[in-house]
Amino acid sequence: QVQLQESGPGLVKPSETLSLTCNVSGFSISSGHYWGWIRQPPGKGLEWIGSLYKNGHTYKNPSLKSAVTLSVDTSKNVFTLTLKSVTAADTAVYYCGRDPQPYVVTHAFDIWGQGRLVTVSS
Amino acid sequence: SSEVTQDPAVSVALGQTVRITCQGDTLRDYYATWYQQKPGRAPVLLFYGKNNRPSGVPDRFSASSSGTTSYLTIAGAQAEDEAVYYCNSRDSINYVLFGGGTQLTVL
Repeated sequence: QVQLQESGPGLVKPSETLSLTCNVSGFSISSGHYWGWIRQPPGKGLEWIGSLYKNGHTYKNPSLKSAVTLSVDTSKNVFTLTLKSVTAADTAVYYCGRDPQPYVVTHAFDIWGQGRLVTVSS
Repeated sequence: SSEVTQDPAVSVALGQTVRITCQGDTLRDYYATWYQQKPGRAPVLLFYGKNNRPSGVPDRFSASSSGTTSYLTIAGAQAEDEAVYYCNSRDSINYVLFGGGTQLTVL
């Protein structure tokens, strides 16, 4: 069965770079689906960060665009998120997800990772 | 700028029907996506696109829209339906906007 698992540091210092990896198992990341990142500050709502395709094509939240890098490594079946110059406002649970339809972006996510809490604090 | 709005809280008596609304100008042109989220869990996709319902979503859940408002209807709400429901939409430049979520209480 398809499983996604976020990994990376749970604590990042202000002004540093947050890096997370989404490990995909049971499904090829080269299959034709888009993959994405969503975050949720503690006690708050969801925020879309961005989505990417196997060829590196990306869509990003305009409010985060300059700070966000999305990349994919098909050889390892993973995709990654980096967020530069973080502040306390970037403290959140970060989720990775799979877009349900191949070859077209719907911006929906049918399979989610369990989420990774990243705290920005000195 | 575009935004998507939801009522913060809605309640329904057990077994009754409830409709959760999602409003935004982008919904005139693009379908809403709906999620259910329970405490401490990742969201679960309920509907996307033109009424696409992933397998496993009970058929008491349905989605519809009119103008700039989209609706998620639960016919015969169950205790396990108590959760936060999020909608989102996209705009013309593929910016995805989430609503603030609606806390559904089943009485």
